[in-house]
This record gives sequence, structure tokens and C-alpha cells, in this order.
Amino acid sequence: GAVVSQHPSRVICKSGTSVKIECRSLDFQATTMFWYRQFPKQSLMLMATSNEGSKATYEQGVEKDKFLINHASLTLSTLTVTSAHPEDSSFYICSAVGVAGGIPQETQYFGPGTRLLVL
Amino acid sequence: SQKIEQNSEALNIQEGKTATLTCNYTNYSPAYLQWYRQDPGRGPVFLLLIRENEKEKRKERLKVTFDTTLKQSLFHITASQPADSATYLCALGSGGSYIPTFGRGTSLIVHP
Repeated sequence: GAVVSQHPSRVICKSGTSVKIECRSLDFQATTMFWYRQFPKQSLMLMATSNEGSKATYEQGVEKDKFLINHASLTLSTLTVTSAHPEDSSFYICSAVGVAGGIPQETQYFGPGTRLLVL
Repeated sequence: SQKIEQNSEALNIQEGKTATLTCNYTNYSPAYLQWYRQDPGRGPVFLLLIRENEKEKRKERLKVTFDTTLKQSLFHITASQPADSATYLCALGSGGSYIPTFGRGTSLIVHP
């Protein structure tokens, strides 16, 4: 159980275009999902926390107009990189937490990641 | 500020030996600590969670210790196999928080 999928796994786009990445929890409901960014040999950097039915909470330094997050259902969150530029090229990973008794659990279940390359 | 330290140098060991990875932290009093495995180009996979009131936890060939006095966790893989080669991340979380902070990870390479 606790499977999280991400789509696409890899995307190459031209500078100035927008890219949408989907994150789905396949066998559990995730009221909360997270979006991370990871550069080679670096730690996971939390970008934002996505709560179903409400606005995402962005970490300091992350532009909310640049990285649009939508969490429309209990199993789907999307990250849209708007007007992408080469410096946005990175590995984007989502994760989800389950809920027990109304309390979010500590274990995060990660998607396989999306490699974005902006030319 | 809070700091999580994992050895940036890769750990190379021979198959069959026990691998031991270290996670040190400063300016932090975590309520729990997690270990994840990450393969190249993939998302992390949860392995173990240990709470501040637990000294040790085991799962198959894995063992985690948590010393809140030393501010350190050790992650052991016994009878290591080449398939255990990956990057291992530790993550620390505060009480009441389900959003842990991740370390940079240590790469483990098990040679046949």
C-alpha cells in the first residue's frame, strides 16, 4: 500500500513555456501533499505544503506565482511551473502523508520524481 | 540554526559486512527521526521511524539507534548486499509536526 505516482517522469521544454506535474496517491487519501525540489547530491528542499481544498503554504524564497499548486481532490495535487527558465531545471518530487483518526502521520510516501529540463 | 549532518563522502564496503551510516544534528530536539533510501533518479522510500523515547529499532537487516544525548542516530545494514547500494537520508521531525527536515544523505556502495 501507500503508493504515490507522478506524471510525467521526465519533461523537456522550451524556455517560457509552462509545465504541469501531477502527483497522485493511488491507494490512500492524502489530505496533505508536499512538493520538493532536489539538485544533484543535495538535500530535498521543501517548496510547499499542499492541503486539499485550500491554498498551498509556500516555504520562504519560493515564488508562489512561479510554482502554482492545486490540490483539488484527496488523491491529486498538481504543480505548474509557469514560464519556465533553464534555472528551473531540477528534479521535482512530491510526497503524501496519510491520516489516522484525523491526525496526519509522520511517514511520507514519495512519488518517483519528475526530471525537468528547460532549454 | 538547526543543522543535520550526514557524511558527504560515499561509504564503500564489501558485500557481507555491516554498513553503518551516521546522522548528527545540532540545535534541534527532534521528537522522531526517520531513515529513507533513495536510488538515483527516484523518490525516497521510507525505511524506519524511531521516536525520541526509543533507543533502538530493527527491521529485518536494518537497525537504527537514536541517542538524544549525543544528538546522533546510527543506521546499520547487516549482511550488506550490492542491492543495498543507494543514498540513505535521515530526516528529523519535531513533536506535533509531520513535516520532517531532511539531511543531504550518504551514498552507500556495496562491492561484490
